[in-house]
Amino acid sequence: NAGVMQNPRHLVRRRGQEARLRCSPVKGHSHVYWYRQLPEEGLKFMVYLQKENIIDESGMPKERFSAEFPKEGPSILRIQQVVRGDSAAYFCASSPTLGATNEKLFFGSGTQLSVL
Amino acid sequence: AQKITQTQPGMFVQEKEAVTLDCTYDTSDQSYGLFWYKQPSSGEMIFLIYQGSYDEQNATEGRYSLNFQKARKSANLVISASQLGDSAMYFCAMSLSGGYQKVTFGTGTKLQVIP
Repeated sequence: NAGVMQNPRHLVRRRGQEARLRCSPVKGHSHVYWYRQLPEEGLKFMVYLQKENIIDESGMPKERFSAEFPKEGPSILRIQQVVRGDSAAYFCASSPTLGATNEKLFFGSGTQLSVL
Repeated sequence: AQKITQTQPGMFVQEKEAVTLDCTYDTSDQSYGLFWYKQPSSGEMIFLIYQGSYDEQNATEGRYSLNFQKARKSANLVISASQLGDSAMYFCAMSLSGGYQKVTFGTGTKLQVIP
């Protein structure tokens, strides 16, 4: 059973370029979350998606950031025109169902984005 | 809004000793869940233990136990018989009921186990 798969593990971009981070949830999971971890900090919620729907993007910057979870294929977190402040670890997590407080999140290994 | 506070940026513990990592939380909700995750240097987030707000007994998972004191709003993680492989960042986190897992994380505690 494959867990949450994120790629790439490391991504280097120059300022102004685009970054595309991919996440394949655990097979059968239909809920995907993206979190960002800045150095020396905890994870901060960015966005929650179900298949083809963005449910909550309250943690995502209003500009340059977008996310999708298409009917087929992985979830994508897209950062346009990256700046140095976007350098962080981006984690994807998935869960099978909705709403239970005891439902742990299954995390991927993260993508470390470095902006030069 | 909910908040998680971890006041220990770093901790040292001797191998085979027990260690307690502190976590306090703040929420006005009555139904919530508390988690601890481990993040080794490789970066992945590993689920350790869960405590529900209505659970009367403290959760235990092998060498991990959660000291849940609801009135004090604390959910400390106790690791017994520390091992070198326990050296990692540890994050306390909280989820609320009635919705999806918009989990709130603390800032973490870096634990180093000394041989």
